[in-house]
Amino acid sequence: DIQMTQSPSSLSASVGDRVTITCQASQDISNYLNWYQQKPGKAPKLLIYDASNLETGVPSRFSGSGSGTDFTFTISSLQPEDIATYYCQQYDNLPRYTFGPGTKVDIK
Amino acid sequence: EVQLVQSGAEVKKPGESLKISCKGSGYSFTSYWIGWVRQMPGKGLEWMGIIYPGDSDTRYSPSFQGQVTISADKSISTAYLQWSSLKASDTAMYYCARACPIAAAHWFDPWGQGTLVTVSS
Repeated sequence: DIQMTQSPSSLSASVGDRVTITCQASQDISNYLNWYQQKPGKAPKLLIYDASNLETGVPSRFSGSGSGTDFTFTISSLQPEDIATYYCQQYDNLPRYTFGPGTKVDIK
Repeated sequence: EVQLVQSGAEVKKPGESLKISCKGSGYSFTSYWIGWVRQMPGKGLEWMGIIYPGDSDTRYSPSFQGQVTISADKSISTAYLQWSSLKASDTAMYYCARACPIAAAHWFDPWGQGTLVTVSS
C-alpha cells in the first residue's frame, strides 16, 4: 500500500503567519492528492482536491501544490478559525486509499 | 443542499452485531460512490471502503476486508456499515462521505456528522 507521511505532526503559529505542511507519498501518485480540515469534534471538510484545486467556498488563503511524491499545503495568513488538524489523502488505487497521519495546527 | 445524515450513537457489548446508516439527500444517490472512514479515539482517519449504490459495487481497504460489511438500499438513499461480532477495538467514530466527482471516487465531500460506536462489556 502507498504510505503517506506528513510534517510537521504539529505546529504553533501566530495569527497572520504563513503556515506550510508537507505530505510525502511512498510512490508516485501523480496529482491524486487531497487535503482535508478537521476541527475538534467535527467531521472532516474537503479543502483542496487534485493537489491544487480549491474546493468551492473555501477561502483563498488555502492552497496546495505538488505532484509525484511531494506535496505542499499552505495557509497564507493564519486565522483563529483555522485551528484544526489537516490531513492529506491519496487516491491512486481504489480501494487502497490512504490518509496521512495529520498535522495539528494551533495558535501561538 | 447535498447532505449525509448518519444514525445516532451506539453502545454495544463485545460479540454483538450492529448496523449503522448514512442517508443521502439533495443529489442523485445512485450516481455517486459513498465511502466509510474510521477515526479511533484521539487518532487519525482510516479509509475503510466504498460502495456505488447504483449497482452495489463494493470495494474494501485490505485492512477492513472481512471485518465489516458495506451495503446500500437505493430505494431509500441509504448506505450501511455493519459488524457481525463487535470487538472493543471497534470503538471509534465512523464517518460516511460522498465520493466525487460523479461516478468516480477521487475525493470526499460532503461528510456525514459521524456515528460514535462504543463497544464495552
